Amino acid sequence: GAVVSQHPSRVICKSGTSVKIECRSLDFQATTMFWYRQFPKQSLMLMATSNEGSKATYEQGVEKDKFLINHASLTLSTLTVTSAHPEDSSFYICSARGGGPLETQYFGPGTRLLVL
Amino acid sequence: GQQVMQIPQYQHVQEGEDFTTYCNSSTTLSNIQWYKQRPGGHPVFLIQLVKSGEVKKQKRLTFQFGEAKKNSSLHITATQTTDVGTYFCAGRGSGGGADGLTFGKGTHLIIQP
Repeated sequence: GAVVSQHPSRVICKSGTSVKIECRSLDFQATTMFWYRQFPKQSLMLMATSNEGSKATYEQGVEKDKFLINHASLTLSTLTVTSAHPEDSSFYICSARGGGPLETQYFGPGTRLLVL
Repeated sequence: GQQVMQIPQYQHVQEGEDFTTYCNSSTTLSNIQWYKQRPGGHPVFLIQLVKSGEVKKQKRLTFQFGEAKKNSSLHITATQTTDVGTYFCAGRGSGGGADGLTFGKGTHLIIQP
């Protein structure tokens, strides 16, 4: 089946620094990638949708200048949390969709971000 | 905007009992997907329903999509300890485009042996 990787799996950073998270589709080309965040014991909230070669579409309430998304190729999307603060600590999960008939989204393993 | 409501939030069952989680959308969906997330893990795709009134089975799991394409259910027969986890429904709107999924809050299934 389709595999999506995320790196790093876990990161701890100081407040004010920036963190980049990579999402890769390993065995298929992802025309669209999605970024979600999940707080403990809560559901996944869609942050933004990115299409290769174009600007990401952000959900209402998500600051595009704080969460920079770059979808440079059909297999790679990156999320950069700029000037991170403790309230940005969360589980960030990407998913990729390959455009097949079912348009299934395949999720990466997630990145746990802790901002001190 | 589109909202997806899921109940119950928590469900405690004895091993061997059945389990059902229900999902309702505020708008008509083009499709609905179900995911399972184990504690500490990431969501894993279970199934997608597309057609009105569709019913699909995977071993002990039965998935239904309502006639109006606004509600869905997941039923597990004779639960086992391996069924522990959170089950999320996720809907995609019928407006077309590359919309991300709107997830329900999930149902946490706790099984007592």
